[in-house]
Amino acid sequence: LAKTTQPISMDSYEGQEVNITCSHNNIATNDYITWYQQFPSQGPRFIIQGYKTKVTNEVASLFIPADRKSSTLSLPRVSLSDTAVYYCLVGNNNDMRFGAGTRLTVKP
Amino acid sequence: SQTIHQWPATLVQPVGSPLSLECTVEGTSNPNLYWYRQAAGRGLQLLFYSVGIGQISSEVPQNLSASRPQDRQFILSSKKLLLSDSGFYLCAWSRDRVNSPLHFGNGTRLTVT
Repeated sequence: LAKTTQPISMDSYEGQEVNITCSHNNIATNDYITWYQQFPSQGPRFIIQGYKTKVTNEVASLFIPADRKSSTLSLPRVSLSDTAVYYCLVGNNNDMRFGAGTRLTVKP
Repeated sequence: SQTIHQWPATLVQPVGSPLSLECTVEGTSNPNLYWYRQAAGRGLQLLFYSVGIGQISSEVPQNLSASRPQDRQFILSSKKLLLSDSGFYLCAWSRDRVNSPLHFGNGTRLTVT
């Protein structure tokens, strides 16, 4: 089971790009990296998933270096509605542990 | 499209009372199903997961139990609630156990008084 480490909190301003880095030094060969977003009193929502290099979808990009011991979630041009907790998970679903995540606060 | 329903949204129960939370998934067959609990300001703790009818794996020993009587139905139960059972309970589903993303319901806020 790969343990992940993320910053506890981050602040940003509207329109800025936000990068949240997650460390997972013990990631296994078959592990994928998945990011979720959670608003208060709601269940987490899947954002993006990747295995290596770069993945991009309509809401975010995920950068994974060759050694896969870390990953960076990139949110382009954040808005106030992006204020949430962001979780990085690695492994398979039956072994996944959600840590405390990163609380992102976007300011006007 | 797939949807997940979880109810009730909020629940207040006295200590020692029973609990039954229900979760159903629509639009998919043979999903993996999960129960998580989130304490205030904390991350999610995996309680149970199921890969099929009648198949339940428990992650944390406690006074909660789970059952899967039908393919797309997952129930979280307790015979006697404790104060420490208070929290935000989330049901989730995924397509397979390896790397398919989890899809969460809207959760049940349980307060044990």
